[in-house]
Amino acid sequence: QKEVEQNSGPLSVPEGAIASLNCTYSDRGSQSFFWYRQYSGKSPELIMSIYSNGDKEDGRFTAQLNKASQYVSLLIRDSQPSDSATYLCAVALLAYSGAGSYQLTFGKGTKLSVIP
Amino acid sequence: DAGITQSPRHKVTETGTPVTLRCHQTENHRYMYWYRQDPGHGLRLIHYSYGVKDTDKGEVSDGYSVSRSKTEDFLLTLESATSSQTSVYFCAISPSGGRSTDTQYFGPGTRLTVL
Repeated sequence: QKEVEQNSGPLSVPEGAIASLNCTYSDRGSQSFFWYRQYSGKSPELIMSIYSNGDKEDGRFTAQLNKASQYVSLLIRDSQPSDSATYLCAVALLAYSGAGSYQLTFGKGTKLSVIP
Repeated sequence: DAGITQSPRHKVTETGTPVTLRCHQTENHRYMYWYRQDPGHGLRLIHYSYGVKDTDKGEVSDGYSVSRSKTEDFLLTLESATSSQTSVYFCAISPSGGRSTDTQYFGPGTRLTVL
């Protein structure tokens, strides 16, 4: 069973603080990792991807990956009320059917609330 | 937007009726996916397509069928809708799918209610 675990939250942080979102995965064959943001009633939108161990920064967002610990995280610096959303962690695994394609397995998401 | 539309955006139907949802893309991407999203379950893959007439099952395919006769269109059919299929359905597209780094982009979703 391929599992991707996230704390459901809600995670509440004050405006300007750092929000830390965590994700663990069970399959060591996982190749790539993605963070999606989903506003209420909207579709998921990609905000970060990370493929190798270490940190990857993009503006106020930093993704961290530790394959040995099977752990990926997303840090949001200087959190803004507009960051309030559900954050989905997704893991790419090779599907053993079809044309050798990769499939994404999603966590259930962490709801973030940034308090003004 | 990634050039993906879904229709209808909202639908209410009755148990036992057939329902078809449409996903249309303007990106000419090879891979297309259907997911459902339910509280407590997150996003789950129903079916996906890796080319015209090439489809495969995902995690929760029972009760669903798909067809792809053109690159731009991917149809999801509920042959006989049940209340357990009440959900929000998202279509996604990917340029390839043959690489682990390929990103999936999501359509706006269809909210389906089966009474």
